[in-house]
Amino acid sequence: NAGVTQTPKFRVLKTGQSMTLLCAQDMNHEYMYWYRQDPGMGLRLIHYSVGEGTTAKGEVPDGYNVSRLKKQNFLLGLESAAPSQTSVYFCASFSGRVYNEQFFGPGTRLTVL
Amino acid sequence: AQRVTQPEKLLSVFKGAPVELKCNYSYSGSPELFWYVQYSRQRLQLLLRHISRESIKGFTADLNKGETSFHLKKPFAQEEDSAMYYCALSDSWGKFQFGAGTQVVVTP
Repeated sequence: NAGVTQTPKFRVLKTGQSMTLLCAQDMNHEYMYWYRQDPGMGLRLIHYSVGEGTTAKGEVPDGYNVSRLKKQNFLLGLESAAPSQTSVYFCASFSGRVYNEQFFGPGTRLTVL
Repeated sequence: AQRVTQPEKLLSVFKGAPVELKCNYSYSGSPELFWYVQYSRQRLQLLLRHISRESIKGFTADLNKGETSFHLKKPFAQEEDSAMYYCALSDSWGKFQFGAGTQVVVTP
């Protein structure tokens, strides 16, 4: 039982390049989330999904797209990376049951030059 | 709109001293509140949830609905408590709101 995994762990991009971050969970959770973590800003929600085939915008969605084609996977895409997207990205999943918590992945450290 | 406020960005305490991390929230319904901890360069992990009313690693947190607070306390800080702590609130639709976090540094 791996929980929540993220690929890759680290990545360096040049401005304008594109990339996709993959999140996978093996807990059969309905809800999945993408956050970015920046110093002094805490965790900010980018996009989330309440089930397979659904996505919704969070607090800071601009410059990102997501897809949830399979229940266990949640992909975060950057079409044209910008230095402002340099951050640590965390994926999380949640069962949807009351009082249950979110489970987090190990994070992806992205640098955009 | 839901909001979580952690007023302290950094708390520096000596080993053996008490530590209290403040968390205030605003939410119109009945909140579900959590404390998460993140050790250096690791993933966030759950520390406490308000419904459990338990003590984990010596930490406790009490939900005060009148003051809309969920402060985290430990009577005697240890060096291994040095970490980033996040207060979080979840609503009825599975959306979680995190505070900005408090970095705790415990010095010997």
